Amino acid sequence: EDQVTQSPEALRLQEGESSSLNCSYTVSGLRGLFWYRQDPGKGPEFLFTLYSAGEEKEKERLKATLTKKESFLHITAPKPEDSATYLCAVQETAAGNKLTFGGGTRVLVKP
Amino acid sequence: DTAVSQTPKYLVTQMGNDKSIKCEQNLGHDTMYWYKQDSKKFLKIMFSYNNKELIINETVPNRFSPKSPDKAHLNLHINSLELGDSAVYFCASSLLRRTDTQYFGPGTRLTVL
Repeated sequence: EDQVTQSPEALRLQEGESSSLNCSYTVSGLRGLFWYRQDPGKGPEFLFTLYSAGEEKEKERLKATLTKKESFLHITAPKPEDSATYLCAVQETAAGNKLTFGGGTRVLVKP
Repeated sequence: DTAVSQTPKYLVTQMGNDKSIKCEQNLGHDTMYWYKQDSKKFLKIMFSYNNKELIINETVPNRFSPKSPDKAHLNLHINSLELGDSAVYFCASSLLRRTDTQYFGPGTRLTVL
């Protein structure tokens, strides 16, 4: 069965303090890995899709990278508005359009 | 304009009752989903419909019955509610050819007493 594990569960950062979130996955065949952002009381919001090892995507202060077993979401010089839960999900080639989500990393950026 | 909307936002009910949650999307998508997010924040797929046809049906109790009257609507009916059904339920939509980019609704927090 697919497994997606995110670490750490929670991360407290000072504004400007860069850090990385980890998403490790075990699937028999990866179709894609996705990052979503979820604010309290709201639904997840799509950030990135990564399809193959070595691929990178960037959006403002966020950069996502992918290897054969894990993905990293790097937050560079974060601001308080980057505070949110970041969710990682995978889609397996044999599983149709099903997304399997990890438990998320709660990020709090203090001014 | 709201892209994916759900009603109600909050639902508090007694064990044994039957309730429904409605979802509508105005994005022109052909695929819709129901997810359940438990207290530990894990988001799990329950159902997916493409053009009113069920394409994903995870292992959920048959007390849960999705209904799609058209491709812009996907409702979730729950019979004989149990304490363990308490969670936040999210509706989402996408194009079938772009299932990586799913747009989520604001969620419905269901509390069963």
